[in-house]
Amino acid sequence: AQSVTQPDIHITVSEGASLELRCNYSYGATPYLFWYVQSPGQGLQLLLKYFSGDTLVQGIKGFEAEFKRSQSSFNLRKPSVHWSDAAEYFCAVRDYKLSFGAGTTVTVRA
Amino acid sequence: EAQVTQNPRYLITVTGKKLTVTCSQNMNHEYMSWYRQDPGLGLRQIYYSMNVEVTDKGDVPEGYKVSRKEKRNFPLILESPSPNQTSLYFCASRDRGEVHEQFFGPGTRLTVL
Repeated sequence: AQSVTQPDIHITVSEGASLELRCNYSYGATPYLFWYVQSPGQGLQLLLKYFSGDTLVQGIKGFEAEFKRSQSSFNLRKPSVHWSDAAEYFCAVRDYKLSFGAGTTVTVRA
Repeated sequence: EAQVTQNPRYLITVTGKKLTVTCSQNMNHEYMSWYRQDPGLGLRQIYYSMNVEVTDKGDVPEGYKVSRKEKRNFPLILESPSPNQTSLYFCASRDRGEVHEQFFGPGTRLTVL
């Protein structure tokens, strides 16, 4: 069965610093992978997705993610974090259904 | 505007009082699903529907019912709510096919006392 692990429950980062959120998945075939962001009190917004092709995918809000099959990872990165990036981030993998990781909460300090 | 809507957005109820959370999408999507979000657990799928009159259990279906009589609507029914169903609920839809992204509703915050 497919599964997603986000090893970091909470990350604190300074504004302007870089951010990397880890995601590891378990899935037998080529996965469809997603990163969603949930701002406080809001619904889920799709940041980016990987289906095939180039393993480095660009998303909205300056985020990117790299698919590494050998490591079963799909880590999310942003070179310079803004205060508005404070949110909860979810990695997800899909075959016939979408399975989510437990989420990583990002706090941005001034 | 393409969207998934849910009602109500907030609901406080008591144990055993039947309730329905409505979900509607205007994108003519075939696939719809319900999730619940709990701290430390992420989102877990409750039920999904591949098309009208076709529904199936997700990972945590106990205590919930759904129906899909029309393509656009996918209500979630709690016949006898219990406190362990206090959660944040999301409805989602997507088009048929592997490459289509899933669109989420704004969420319904349910508290069962």
